[in-house]
Amino acid sequence: DIQLTQSPSFLSASVGDRVTITCRASQGIGSFLAWYQQKAEKAPKLLITLASLLRSGVPPRFSGSGSGSEFTLTITSLQPEDFATYYCQQLNTYPLTFGGGTKVEIK
Amino acid sequence: EVQLVESGGGLVQPGGSLRLSCAASRFTFSDSWMCWVRQAPGRGLEWVANIKEDGSEKYYVDSVKGRFTISRDNAKNSVYLQMDSLTVEDTAVYYCAREAYKIMETWGQGTLVTVSS
Repeated sequence: DIQLTQSPSFLSASVGDRVTITCRASQGIGSFLAWYQQKAEKAPKLLITLASLLRSGVPPRFSGSGSGSEFTLTITSLQPEDFATYYCQQLNTYPLTFGGGTKVEIK
Repeated sequence: EVQLVESGGGLVQPGGSLRLSCAASRFTFSDSWMCWVRQAPGRGLEWVANIKEDGSEKYYVDSVKGRFTISRDNAKNSVYLQMDSLTVEDTAVYYCAREAYKIMETWGQGTLVTVSS
């Protein structure tokens, strides 16, 4: 199985900060990676597909990059509604797997 | 807007069975892969299983193979997860999601399954 390791697992940031989350795959997965946002007690929401394609309706302050085995999710100018947990997911190989999550909290 | 509504969760004893249902609306269900993803309390997301549009292909995570069965009824716009031989490790919120190219595009609100004696 492909393991996804997210770092950090927790980060504290302020409104307006730039935030970067990393997702490392245990083997190369090309650009077959998605990012999700999950707020407390809610279902996850898809943000980015194929490593860098922003889903329609997602604010442009979110961006994704990377290929192979290292990927990043960047949020420029963090907004109050962005405080949540973020997950990466590989779609290269079964079983589909998620990273452990990165919780973004208010400093 | 795509809508997915899960049902069937509840409390079950170890070794028991439960069948989850997911009713879909506002999209062409028969053209969509569907999947189940679960989240244990305070933990991350785990993909469980998915099923092709016509039900001809199904994939499972190893931890549920032989115990869980995913199925669908396109006439009823519904997908199901039959869970047998449940263990405490299966305790989780189970989400139904519409899949496109192995990406979970839209999620339901989830249904809680608690396995406990």
